[in-house]
Amino acid sequence: GNSVTQMEGPVTLSEEAFLTINCTYTATGYPSLFWYVQYPGEGLQLLLKATKADDKGSNKGFEATYRKETTSFHLEKGSVQVSDSAVYFCALSVDTGGFKTIFGAGTRLFVKA
Amino acid sequence: GAGVSQSPRYKVAKRGQDVALRCDPISGHVSLFWYQQALGQGPEFLTYFQNEAQLDKSGLPSDRFFAERPEGSVSTLKIQRTQQEDSAVYLCASSSGVNQPQHFGDGTRLSIL
Repeated sequence: GNSVTQMEGPVTLSEEAFLTINCTYTATGYPSLFWYVQYPGEGLQLLLKATKADDKGSNKGFEATYRKETTSFHLEKGSVQVSDSAVYFCALSVDTGGFKTIFGAGTRLFVKA
Repeated sequence: GAGVSQSPRYKVAKRGQDVALRCDPISGHVSLFWYQQALGQGPEFLTYFQNEAQLDKSGLPSDRFFAERPEGSVSTLKIQRTQQEDSAVYLCASSSGVNQPQHFGDGTRLSIL
């Protein structure tokens, strides 16, 4: 079946540290991959996406590359800020006649000043 | 409106009561999704509409859950004879088309006593 596995949190970093949040997936067919972010007190919002192998999604200094050979879509940022503290969700969508989206469990990131 | 609007934001009901949750998607968005999010987990897919057609309801956990979108815009998720395990945040999302990024509402937090 289709599933998403992401690293457990919480992840605690100091400001300006390098961030990696691992995400791997299993899917039938050719999924599109997404990272969503949920800031404290706010709703889920799309951070970045990639729709085919070797695509790189990027936004707000975050990047993730669709790696078909390792079925991964790891999220990275070179220098985190306190304002990046949030919960990050990796997700995939597949055409099952309805493009069901499957989310990982989320990884909470705390960034200390 | 500017974003996806859900109402009510909070709902408390006694076990056995029926509840109805409303979602106003972004104007013009043909795709509408409902998710259930338990505490500390990622959203779990419930159902998907394309305009007024419910194309995928494979995520609805039981026949007590029913969703409709009769005119292809506003959608209602109804839960009959609520149980304590129905307590969760119910999220609605809309998108401009299949496999396009989803825009999420702030959710309805449902508590069953």
